[in-house]
Amino acid sequence: DARVTQTPRDKVTEMGQEVTMRCQPILGHNTVFWYRQTMMQGLELLAYFRNRAPLDDSGMPKDRFSAEMPDATLATLKIQPSEPRDSAVYFCARFGSSGYTFGSGTRLTVV
Amino acid sequence: KQEVTQIPAALSVPEGENLVLNCSFTDSAIYNLQWFRQDPGKGLTSLLLIQSSQREQTSGRLNASLDKSSGRSTLYIAASQPGDSATYLCAVGPTGANSKLTFGKGITLSVRP
Repeated sequence: DARVTQTPRDKVTEMGQEVTMRCQPILGHNTVFWYRQTMMQGLELLAYFRNRAPLDDSGMPKDRFSAEMPDATLATLKIQPSEPRDSAVYFCARFGSSGYTFGSGTRLTVV
Repeated sequence: KQEVTQIPAALSVPEGENLVLNCSFTDSAIYNLQWFRQDPGKGLTSLLLIQSSQREQTSGRLNASLDKSSGRSTLYIAASQPGDSATYLCAVGPTGANSKLTFGKGITLSVRP
């Protein structure tokens, strides 16, 4: 399975700013997951897609978070406006023939 | 709701020791179970994937077993090395492929030289 690349690796932003995180390559037929990891909560599922359609986004605060797949090889997670409590490491993952493959994560710090 | 528990949260062993990491889950209706390794500040690296129809998987010095009826999985590490120091997480997927994983909080392993 191909690796999953996330950008940016690190992001520091001020409260209220928009943040966009990217995840690729994502093959069109795979299922894509967004997870958030904090020391207190561990890994939490935010949303997941199959064939570019959202299946479950109940873990996301929908008033500020949005997850999309603009095309078959790219997934994005956007936070607008960002808040300090959003500070965490965000991972995307893909399910394929060898199970789940995770990206290296985006470390977000909102000050 | 599926709950995954990994106890203890941290473990320290001397180099060369064989060790077992435990994982328990509350709902036995799972599709698969996967063990991951996470180094500090890094992403998750998949170690072993066990489908619900399988009992165990092996890769090098690692062996993972699955007992669905008792809701348990173990990760056995043979002849531990300092390079094995990391956090080990288990995650279970409910019935149906491509379904979301539920993670344990992980066990932070330290192997002393």
